[in-house]
Amino acid sequence: TQLLEQSPQFLSIQEGENLTVYCNSSSVFSSLQWYRQEPGEGPVLLVTVVTGGEVKKLKRLTFQFGDARKDSSLHITAAQTGDTGLYLCAGVGSGGSNYKLTFGKGTLLTVNP
Amino acid sequence: DSGVTQTPKHLITATGQRVTLRCSPRSGDLSVYWYQQSLDQGLQFLIQYYNGEERAKGNILERFSAQQFPDLHSELNLSSLELGDSALYFCASSVTTSGGFRNTQYFGPGTRLTVL
Repeated sequence: TQLLEQSPQFLSIQEGENLTVYCNSSSVFSSLQWYRQEPGEGPVLLVTVVTGGEVKKLKRLTFQFGDARKDSSLHITAAQTGDTGLYLCAGVGSGGSNYKLTFGKGTLLTVNP
Repeated sequence: DSGVTQTPKHLITATGQRVTLRCSPRSGDLSVYWYQQSLDQGLQFLIQYYNGEERAKGNILERFSAQQFPDLHSELNLSSLELGDSALYFCASSVTTSGGFRNTQYFGPGTRLTVL
């Protein structure tokens, strides 16, 4: 069974601070996705990282895929209150199971004004 | 708005009862996925349908079943409900069933099921 561990589980910071959340697994995934989920809504895809060592930037968000494609990180620079939400990482299966998303339990981020 | 619709938004029922959750995928999407989200287990894949046929099963209980109709909408049936079935149930859709990362799944707003 492929498992994804996310840390920290909860994070409360002040507006303007930087933060990093982590997503780790003992399994290799063909790619890894990050989602943000707001209360009362479904997860929304932020980014997909595919290649080991890949770094992608989305405005103030920086996503990195580990060299061995087992772990990933999300770094937010100068957090804003609008960044508040549940951040989920999801590993994409390979081969015959490439439909399947395996989700971590998420990091609940609260950015205080 | 992802384009995926789910009804009802909230559902409150009693143990032992049976409920049906409905999902309409984005226009043009042939694949539908069902997920369960709970505080202790997180977001877990239940089952996938593609163009009316079951394609994959995840952690779906035998008391749960699903189907996809010719118009591509899908229903998730939950029976003999237990307290532990209380959770958010999400439907997602995608264009096809293969392609891995190229096949983005779009999630609906979910149905919150409370079993009393």
